[in-house]
Amino acid sequence: DSGVTQTPKHLITATGQRVTLRCSPRSGDLSVYWYQQSLDQGLQFLIHYYNGEERAKGNILERFSAQQFPDLHSELNLSSLELGDSALYFCASSVVHTGELFFGEGSRLTVL
Amino acid sequence: AQSVTQPDIHITVSEGASLELRCNYSYGATPYLFWYVQSPGQGLQLLLKYFSGDTLVQGIKGFEAEFKRSQSSFNLRKPSVHWSDAAEYFCAVGAGRDDKIIFGKGTRLHILP
Repeated sequence: DSGVTQTPKHLITATGQRVTLRCSPRSGDLSVYWYQQSLDQGLQFLIHYYNGEERAKGNILERFSAQQFPDLHSELNLSSLELGDSALYFCASSVVHTGELFFGEGSRLTVL
Repeated sequence: AQSVTQPDIHITVSEGASLELRCNYSYGATPYLFWYVQSPGQGLQLLLKYFSGDTLVQGIKGFEAEFKRSQSSFNLRKPSVHWSDAAEYFCAVGAGRDDKIIFGKGTRLHILP
């Protein structure tokens, strides 16, 4: 158990819909990273928050957004969903910018 | 921008044999380098990391990796693999205060009995 909690574990929805994925980092970790894992693209960096502020953006679509709240949990919002958004979405946390990430078990999104 | 290449998508070795997984990175300065392992249905777990100093780093589960600046490589090795090592292995690169941690596409390791 990494200490990072992601909900929901599985989510099935339809095209055009909107979903919210939630991440609770390890106690004391200020950094939260979001990644998308798919068979063809591998593990793609989406976004990084540190203590409530956005620190870096990767290949995140405009239909996607994220935020980190004062209690340090984070949410990833995916809207106008397309079939290609089906993937495993991982959250990871760390204390500082060392790259030593602790991953949750992921949220598997299926868009039908 | 940093990038990582893992040239082998799949590797198969016999149990008890030695293992080397390749990783090449691209980054202008000294990077932070990592190897993570992902078992089926699980999140990723850190095996080892290199920040500075000794270029040969030891990790968990008997793994080690060597940083070679001249070759921009950070290959993962294990002298004798066990069936439980079957998993997907990811090399990653970060850049200190840079806030992106970029992963390679992974190498899936298969173990023959």
